[in-house]
Amino acid sequence: RKEVEQDPGPFNVPEGATVAFNCTYSNSASQSFFWYRQDCRKEPKLLMSVYSSGNEDGRFTAQLNRASQYISLLIRDSKLSDSATYLCVVIRRAGNMLTFGGGTRLMVKP
Amino acid sequence: SAVISQKPSRDICQRGTSLTIQCQVDSQVTMMFWYRQQPGQSLTLIATANQGSEATYESGFVIDKFPISRPNLTFSTLTVSNMSPEDSSIYLCSVEGGTVYEQYFGPGTRLTVT
Repeated sequence: RKEVEQDPGPFNVPEGATVAFNCTYSNSASQSFFWYRQDCRKEPKLLMSVYSSGNEDGRFTAQLNRASQYISLLIRDSKLSDSATYLCVVIRRAGNMLTFGGGTRLMVKP
Repeated sequence: SAVISQKPSRDICQRGTSLTIQCQVDSQVTMMFWYRQQPGQSLTLIATANQGSEATYESGFVIDKFPISRPNLTFSTLTVSNMSPEDSSIYLCSVEGGTVYEQYFGPGTRLTVT
């Protein structure tokens, strides 16, 4: 079993739709969680951190469920520019190294 | 945020040869990281390079195959040695941001081995 798992998609949604991705992690000692965004043929960039209490940044909301070991990303009012691959990233307590999920591809259509 | 450049941006190499990838950062950083992203896959950490010490390799990666240099706080190189088609991948360097949790990535080097 992979340490960090994501549905690869693609998720095809119309503009204005609300879409949600989940990411599950296997190591209960995981300490920190993030969402990165990677555009086609570009490098990954940090989108947002995921806090225990959940956090919101404009149209994006991230949630953490430690009991079920998953994090989620909700995108409201999708824009064409949201089309990208969204990478779930987990950090274990030991080593502080980033472990990337396989990514979920989102395609927002007009 | 840091500005990171990589050279070359892409290359096509013959099997059995070696390629050295350069990573340059516009500010001094303690830790630099090298990742591999194989076609259609996510990122896998190859090694962590600290200036003045040997690189630390992740499971499945060895120094003989991926030697790394870190001569100063703004520069690092990764060599892919004795290449085979399985080494075809994008290689990215990254540096830590405000914390090691936030990393800034270079644009990547797209390597094709024939």
